[in-house]
Amino acid sequence: GDSVTQMEGPVTLSEEAFLTINCTYTATGYPSLFWYVQYPGEGLQLLLKATKADDKGSNKGFEATYRKETTSFHLEKGSVQVSDSAVYFCALSDNSGSRLTFGEGTQLTVNP
Amino acid sequence: DTAVSQTPKYLVTQMGNDKSIKCEQNLGHDTMYWYKQDSKKFLKIMFSYNNKELIINETVPNRFSPKSPDKAHLNLHINSLELGDSAVYFCASSPIRSRHGYTFGSGTRLTVV
Repeated sequence: GDSVTQMEGPVTLSEEAFLTINCTYTATGYPSLFWYVQYPGEGLQLLLKATKADDKGSNKGFEATYRKETTSFHLEKGSVQVSDSAVYFCALSDNSGSRLTFGEGTQLTVNP
Repeated sequence: DTAVSQTPKYLVTQMGNDKSIKCEQNLGHDTMYWYKQDSKKFLKIMFSYNNKELIINETVPNRFSPKSPDKAHLNLHINSLELGDSAVYFCASSPIRSRHGYTFGSGTRLTVV
């Protein structure tokens, strides 16, 4: 079945540091890929998405590129802020769009 | 207006009780879901309904029964609650067979004591 693997957390960075959270996937066909963010005590919010190979999703300074050759969708941000502290989930939607499969989540803490 | 709303936000109950969590979406979406988030933050799909029809039923104990009175509502009823049912339950919705992501509710934190 489909699966998503994220780098293990937690990740702790200083403000303005560069962020990378690795995500790789296993799926048949051509899934859509997503990053969701969960702030403390809240639900999941869609951060960005890419629906086909080589697409780049971006939002709020975060970026991720759909790399079919390496089955990856790594999340990056050039300069993190304290307000970016949250849990980040990589996810994929299968060809039918009938379910979203999540990675394990990566806790990010940004210190001032 | 909240797009996907769940009630209650917190639920503390004793083992053996029966409880329900309600979910409503005002986005006009055709498909609704229930996800369970465990203590390690891992998210797993439980059920999916499309226009009131069950289309996904993962390996969930039959103590859990979803009910969809119309396509804007998907409620989750849990019988004979157990300690291991303690988790955060998220409702979500999407257009039919969407490859563009889901909209999630803010979650219901269930604690069984």
